[in-house]
Amino acid sequence: EVQLLESGGGLVQPGGSLRLSCAASGFTFSSSAMSWVRQAPGKGLEWVSAISGSGTSTYHADSVKGRFTISRDNSKNTLYLQMNSLRAEDSAVYYCAKSPGGAVAGLFDPWGQGTLLTVSS
Amino acid sequence: DIQMTQSPSTLSASVGDRVTITCRASQSINSWLAWYQQKPGKAPKVLIYKASSLESGVPSRFSGSGSGTEFTLTISSLQPEDFATYYCQQYHSYPYTFGRGTKLEIK
Repeated sequence: EVQLLESGGGLVQPGGSLRLSCAASGFTFSSSAMSWVRQAPGKGLEWVSAISGSGTSTYHADSVKGRFTISRDNSKNTLYLQMNSLRAEDSAVYYCAKSPGGAVAGLFDPWGQGTLLTVSS
Repeated sequence: DIQMTQSPSTLSASVGDRVTITCRASQSINSWLAWYQQKPGKAPKVLIYKASSLESGVPSRFSGSGSGTEFTLTISSLQPEDFATYYCQQYHSYPYTFGRGTKLEIK
């Protein structure tokens, strides 16, 4: 059974940094592209970042480009999201999600349970 | 960026009703469209992928259709567990984008 377990969320001051992690199990991690998708409280879904299975290709939404970095450690079956220069509008539940293919993310199936980030002073 | 326009934003219906949710893309996405269901406090779950393919384990009362820019999700006979929020999402090109959601409420 595929399992995705996010961690690392919490309360951070504006301008601060945080790293989210997503521990994966139940599938060949290095063969799957992965993404982060976020959802602000009471709002819709926003794709944030994606990374290929090998880790050589990464993509970020314009809203986080230059501030967030997605990465992965295939030896540890773990996905990361390094978030710098955090803003109040980054406050959201952050989900990691698996894609069927290895080169390109896209279809998000399944999703982790999410981790909450709150950016506030 | 490809904009996804989903309607209606809220839909009130009764158990047993047939309901349809529409999603329009601002440019052609071929069939690279997914539908997700989200219940309060839970992660989204995929129902339909590639516009009309039913995800394994999803009841057959859910169906998807369309291609290009116009897509629909139909639930043929609403069950109590179907009251949730539904999102469409295009995965034709980056940045992947979602519709704003349709909240399906009990009438």
